[in-house]
Amino acid sequence: AQTVTQSQPEMSVQEAETVTLSCTYDTSESNYYLFWYKQPPSRQMILVIRQEAYKQQNATENRFSVNFQKAAKSFSLKISDSQLGDTAMYFCAFIGLQGAQKLVFGQGTRLTINP
Amino acid sequence: DAGVIQSPRHEVTEMGQEVTLRCKPISGHDYLFWYRQTMMRGLELLIYFNNNVPIDDSGMPEDRFSAKMPNASFSTLKIQPSEPRDSAVYFCASSFGTVNYGYTFGSGTRLTVV
Repeated sequence: AQTVTQSQPEMSVQEAETVTLSCTYDTSESNYYLFWYKQPPSRQMILVIRQEAYKQQNATENRFSVNFQKAAKSFSLKISDSQLGDTAMYFCAFIGLQGAQKLVFGQGTRLTINP
Repeated sequence: DAGVIQSPRHEVTEMGQEVTLRCKPISGHDYLFWYRQTMMRGLELLIYFNNNVPIDDSGMPEDRFSAKMPNASFSTLKIQPSEPRDSAVYFCASSFGTVNYGYTFGSGTRLTVV
């Protein structure tokens, strides 16, 4: 079974700083997708960024980028020029394309951006 | 599109009562998922449907939980009888075709069983 591990339960940085959230996963599949979701205090789960495993190029979305290391099974999220609105829980998630298509989440990292 | 719509947003009920959570997926989406979120266990997949048919209910905790999808635009998650340990946030999510683009989540229902 696939597992997703986020080793940082909480992080805190100052506004405008860059922060990196870590995620590792375990799978025997070669083709899969990885995601980062943001859950602000409003509780809504918001898709931040996605990465296709067969693409070597790291995905970017404005201030958000990933460092995808397939061999190491690592998928970290970098937030540049952090803003107060980035304060949220961040979840790393995995979905394989073989068998049942179920999104598996990590335990989350609580990120606080301080003014 | 209005997104995935869940109701109610909050539900407080007494132990032993029946609780029904509702979800309207995005029109055209053919997959629907029910997740439960707790501090201890994080986000757990309870059940998912494809074209209104339940595909995998291995995450349903016990027989007190049941889910239905009578048509493409509506699903329910029912707990009968409810227990305090069922207190959690329940999310519904939907997607179209393969899940390459991730799921779109509803705003969740916070259930409190007292």
